[in-house]
Amino acid sequence: GAGVSQTPSNKVTEKGKYVELRCDPISGHTALYWYRQSLGQGPEFLIYFQGTGAADDSGLPNDRFFAVRPEGSVSTLKIQRTERGDSAVYLCASSPMALAGANEQFFGPGTRLTVL
Amino acid sequence: GENVEQHPSTLSVQEGDSAVIKCTYSDSASNYFPWYKQELGKRPQLIIDIRSNVGEKKDQRIAVTLNKTAKHFSLHITETQPEDSAVYFCAAETGGSYIPTFGRGTSLIVHP
Repeated sequence: GAGVSQTPSNKVTEKGKYVELRCDPISGHTALYWYRQSLGQGPEFLIYFQGTGAADDSGLPNDRFFAVRPEGSVSTLKIQRTERGDSAVYLCASSPMALAGANEQFFGPGTRLTVL
Repeated sequence: GENVEQHPSTLSVQEGDSAVIKCTYSDSASNYFPWYKQELGKRPQLIIDIRSNVGEKKDQRIAVTLNKTAKHFSLHITETQPEDSAVYFCAAETGGSYIPTFGRGTSLIVHP
């Protein structure tokens, strides 16, 4: 079946602009995660959804970052007033069900964000 | 929170040799330890995982070992092949969490 998809694959924007990154999880997966991956680093947790609600947003670096998942499927990561330091690959992952201590992550291909 | 350290950052081997990547974790409550492989320009994919109730798990040329007392776990790849070349990430997840903490990754290069 179809895997996790993300759009756009690449996004170039100017400092101070607003961007939206979209994630389509695997159908039926209730858990959805956003990560940020900088060059030479592992995925850094941003936010986790269980269904429609943000169960844990402790990884969001500041209030310029926000994410929604209004119908429990597609999610959008929103970044306001972008800064050059926001440049990274933003990965989305979904998981079939939220089991504490046993969540295989199915990753999307990522969105490469470049802030000029 | 959990802290995961991964070593080495780069590992270069000849085809047919074995490769070992090691990770340590800080939270003794962690009980799930997956390993992901990320080929250049592609998404991370799970290759093997282990839960804290076992000490070793094998899948063909890949094995993972876990030492709960020392809080470290390792990935072992035998008979390496050029297609094993990729970045490998370890992760740890605690029993009360739904969120894995990833290591910084190991770039494995297998020379033909």
